Amino acid sequence: AQKVTQAQTEISVVEKEDVTLDCVYETRDTTYYLFWYKQPPSGELVFLIRRNSFDEQNEISGRYSWNFQKSTSSFNFTITASQVVDSAVYFCALSEEPNDYKLSFGAGTTVTVRA
Amino acid sequence: DVKVTQSSRYLVKRTGEKVFLECVQDMDHENMFWYRQDPGLGLRLIYFSYDVKMKEKGDIPEGYSVSREKKERFSLILESASTNQTSMYLCASRMIQGKNLYEQYFGPGTRLTVT
Repeated sequence: AQKVTQAQTEISVVEKEDVTLDCVYETRDTTYYLFWYKQPPSGELVFLIRRNSFDEQNEISGRYSWNFQKSTSSFNFTITASQVVDSAVYFCALSEEPNDYKLSFGAGTTVTVRA
Repeated sequence: DVKVTQSSRYLVKRTGEKVFLECVQDMDHENMFWYRQDPGLGLRLIYFSYDVKMKEKGDIPEGYSVSREKKERFSLILESASTNQTSMYLCASRMIQGKNLYEQYFGPGTRLTVT
């Protein structure tokens, strides 16, 4: 069964629009970690954020923000005032104790920002 | 900066050939990983290595083997390449202590085509 679901396959926006990427996860563990990675056209995945299951505070980093809601098992990612450089594939991932090394990735959402 | 390098960006092999994909990291990380990435499926773990000469099967190990004789190098071997192994292969590494404990650092990927 898919542990991480990214329902949006592709999103296309015009520069300066906001874009929100959805991520829904499934786990029975009380201790787990959620991640977002960005994969630009160059191919190398870039780590964006890690959240543990005990920290539900939302986080903002520049134009990026994350909304973690345990009640709905969601960890959504918003890019504010998108730029062409934000064009990439974005992956949400989950790791669970005790095998915290093992990341279960969602299928990814391709974001295209048009000038 | 952590650097994970992979021996080739693009590789074309024939069915039945033995294929070696090499990965090197320069940050003395204990853990190393091999993933394959396919459209609509995200990244799936093939093999994981705890440390030198230590390995563990991931979710899709069939048709693959690995070798880790030195800490910095993790090789993925396709004993007899088949067309269904055409994919993007990503290597990653991770330290097992420190503030970036759970972050995996990825290489640029090798796009393998088996004809």
